[in-house]
Amino acid sequence: KAGVTQTPRYLIKTRGQQVTLSCSPISGHRSVSWYQQTPGQGLQFLFEYFSETQRNKGNFPGRFSGRQFSNSRSEMNVSTLELGDSALYLCASSLLSQGGLSSPLHFGNGTRLTVT
Amino acid sequence: DQQVKQNSPSLSVQEGRISILNCDYTNSMFDYFLWYKKYPAEGPTFLISISSIKDKNEDGRFTVFLNKSAKHLSLHIVPSQPGDSAVYFCAARPNNAGNMLTFGGGTRLMVKP
Repeated sequence: KAGVTQTPRYLIKTRGQQVTLSCSPISGHRSVSWYQQTPGQGLQFLFEYFSETQRNKGNFPGRFSGRQFSNSRSEMNVSTLELGDSALYLCASSLLSQGGLSSPLHFGNGTRLTVT
Repeated sequence: DQQVKQNSPSLSVQEGRISILNCDYTNSMFDYFLWYKKYPAEGPTFLISISSIKDKNEDGRFTVFLNKSAKHLSLHIVPSQPGDSAVYFCAARPNNAGNMLTFGGGTRLMVKP
């Protein structure tokens, strides 16, 4: 079974620009989550989507947004990029369903975003 | 405030010996705990999890122990192998919080041949 696939792997953007990152979950997984990893703040939750609906959101500004499509693929968008947005952005999927049993998250290898 | 803490930034162990990684949490609403291993330039890899209704879960060389009264969990790796050298993260989530995990800061494990 293919794992979680994230594209692109690396991205360089300039302050003020916007960026869209893409994630394809493991086949059959309907929950997709996004996390940001930085040296200073560690791994932090951005948001989670299930059945095309955002079900949880972390403590990030509105410049960070996402969506999920009917095939469970997901995108996240960051607008008006700031230097501090430079990070590894990780997508993860799981079998967790609404009100279902706990199941582990499986992560992709991430997109390394550098903002200059 | 850090709700999940890994107080040891690094740990060095001899091959074949036991590695014990520790994690403390403060949120009593957490009821599902996970351990992940991470290599550079890769995403975290799921290792093992435990629900708050248990105090121990084993999977091969990996065992996770949960002490709810102390709000403490630990990961035991026996025997340790050089390929286990990586950064280990513990994570936790409350019931009905979907996949909103709170991660610890990580512990770098080095297993020496």
